[in-house]
Amino acid sequence: DGGITQSPKYLFRKEGQNVTLSCEQNLNHDAMYWYRQDPGQGLRLIYYSQIVNDFQKGDIAEGYSVSREKKESFPLTVTSAQKNPTAFYLCASSISASGEQYFGPGTRLTVT
Amino acid sequence: AQKITQTQPGMFVQEKEAVTLDCTYDTSDPSYGLFWYKQPSSGEMIFLIYQGSYDQQNATEGRYSLNFQKARKSANLVISASQLGDSAMYFCAMREGPFNKFYFGSGTKLNVKP
Repeated sequence: DGGITQSPKYLFRKEGQNVTLSCEQNLNHDAMYWYRQDPGQGLRLIYYSQIVNDFQKGDIAEGYSVSREKKESFPLTVTSAQKNPTAFYLCASSISASGEQYFGPGTRLTVT
Repeated sequence: AQKITQTQPGMFVQEKEAVTLDCTYDTSDPSYGLFWYKQPSSGEMIFLIYQGSYDQQNATEGRYSLNFQKARKSANLVISASQLGDSAMYFCAMREGPFNKFYFGSGTKLNVKP
């Protein structure tokens, strides 16, 4: 089945630790995205990548980093510099930068 | 200025009735796209419908239709014959600009009553 997988579904970390969220797609999509969603709010764009080995900052990139070494993978690292990392993180992909985005199931990160 | 505005934080509709969820947008780009997504309590975002800025006709997908009024910069989602499974958050989104950035609204929580 084609789709986007994010693992794990729930993640717990201590403050001060970096943590990497996984996002893999087998849809052969060129573009991939990371969003953050806080309770009762919409999605905010963290980073996006339109092709392999290239990515751009979104609206809230501070404290996050990404890599795009393979077309199917776009991992997000939440660094200790991110002041409020506890949130729901959604990964998405689209066949092209202008197409509709398809989303993974999300990872709920809790940092204490 | 907000790129996408959804002014209805929550709405109720009776099962089998139609409901309209409002969305207005702000862009000076002549080429843009408008999207609606559904987010059930599980959290996953489900793509519903798309309207391009140059499309002459309103988009339709099954029970979903998009009421696109370009001059008013509105892109309202109409759900016909509501079902209990339609209860969810609904987000309006826009793609614009040379880098095709996406912007999401704050969402509308729809509750369908039996």
